[in-house]
Amino acid sequence: DAGVIQSPRHEVTEMGQEVTLRCKPISGHDYLFWYRQTMMRGLELLIYFNNNVPIDDSGMPEDRFSAKMPNASFSTLKIQPSEPRDSAVYFCASMRQANTEAFFGQGTRLTVV
Amino acid sequence: GENVGLHLPTLSVQEGDNSIINCAYSNSASDYFIWYKQESGKGPQFIIDIRSNMDKRQGQRVTVLLNKTVKHLSLQIAATQPGDSAVYFCGERAAGNKLTFGGGTRVLVKP
Repeated sequence: DAGVIQSPRHEVTEMGQEVTLRCKPISGHDYLFWYRQTMMRGLELLIYFNNNVPIDDSGMPEDRFSAKMPNASFSTLKIQPSEPRDSAVYFCASMRQANTEAFFGQGTRLTVV
Repeated sequence: GENVGLHLPTLSVQEGDNSIINCAYSNSASDYFIWYKQESGKGPQFIIDIRSNMDKRQGQRVTVLLNKTVKHLSLQIAATQPGDSAVYFCGERAAGNKLTFGGGTRVLVKP
């Protein structure tokens, strides 16, 4: 397996534009996590899914952020409209089952100007 | 993940010495703990994990210690090497398998 695959690796967009980040988890993994990494807040959990169902979205900063998992092999994190303070590295991670390690993707570096 | 500028606690260690990285976790109900290593420009990578019914677990050159009484976790790296230079995160798993992380510690290995 190629591991968790995120796209794009880098995204530069203008304030107000819609941004969509994509994640393909490892095949057979039941859990998918979205994290945001910034200088100020470290590695924050935004939302996670179990069997494609959102379990906890309490970390999503505001209504401009939304995440979906239409099937077991794909998830998106959308920001609309984007703002400069959304600039960060966004990670997706997947996990097979409870009490096993989560595998991280390489991240998407988002810059909103 | 880019960590330049991140105001992290930093541990400077001489090559060949042992390193100890400490972490305080927040949720007394967490039953599974995990350490990750993040090198510059990369995603976090799994190092070692421990369940709450254990207080020590050893891997290759690494040992994790868990003290549930004071909610403290530590990672010991034996004979630290230049390749160990990275940011290290501890994570805890709470109800519903919610995996959250601490702020991280930067380890700098001096040759």
